[in-house]
Amino acid sequence: GQSLEQPSEVTAVEGAIVQINCTYQTSGFYGLSWYQQHDGGAPTFLSYNALDGLEETGRFSSFLSRSDSYGYLLLQELQMKDSASYFCAVSLLSGAGSYQLTFGKGTKLSVIP
Amino acid sequence: ETGVTQTPRHLVMGMTNKKSLKCEQHLGHNAMYWYKQSAKKPLELMFVYSLEERVENNSVPSRFSPECPNSSHLFLHLHTLQPEDSALYLCASSRSRGGESGELFFGEGSRLTVL
Repeated sequence: GQSLEQPSEVTAVEGAIVQINCTYQTSGFYGLSWYQQHDGGAPTFLSYNALDGLEETGRFSSFLSRSDSYGYLLLQELQMKDSASYFCAVSLLSGAGSYQLTFGKGTKLSVIP
Repeated sequence: ETGVTQTPRHLVMGMTNKKSLKCEQHLGHNAMYWYKQSAKKPLELMFVYSLEERVENNSVPSRFSPECPNSSHLFLHLHTLQPEDSALYLCASSRSRGGESGELFFGEGSRLTVL
């Protein structure tokens, strides 16, 4: 089977740095994505890693280690508006050469003053 | 505005009703998806339509029936639902084989309550 594990909740202080980890057990792994979802809103794409290493996009960075089946999302200079749920998702190669995204349960991040 | 529009945003229905959820994407994408989001659970992929294939999750009950008349529109027909089907139903779109880039564009969802 396939599984993704990420913490259910994280609390951090405004201005600080927080790391949200994601471990996965899958077959046909192609890449790891991260999404943000505010309460009542649509999930929005943040980043994608297909190769090992760190990808940086502004205050957000994402890391992947394929050998460890592990990745993380790093949020720097936290702001109150970063309070949201964050989902990791794996791209899996399925039949006929198509790809599907399978999501984790999400991590609820609370940023406190 | 995400480029993916879902209607209705909220729906309450009885177990014997028949209703439909609608999704429209304005992004020129070639693949569309239905996901189910329940509390404390991962987003569950229900159906995928793309130029290449229609993929179903075999665990989806037959009381959910998708329809994709063209690459811009997607429907989810609902009939004789159960209370445990109450959830947020999310539509998403991507460029063909969007899993390669890991990027889906989601609508804001249709909140379904089954009484």
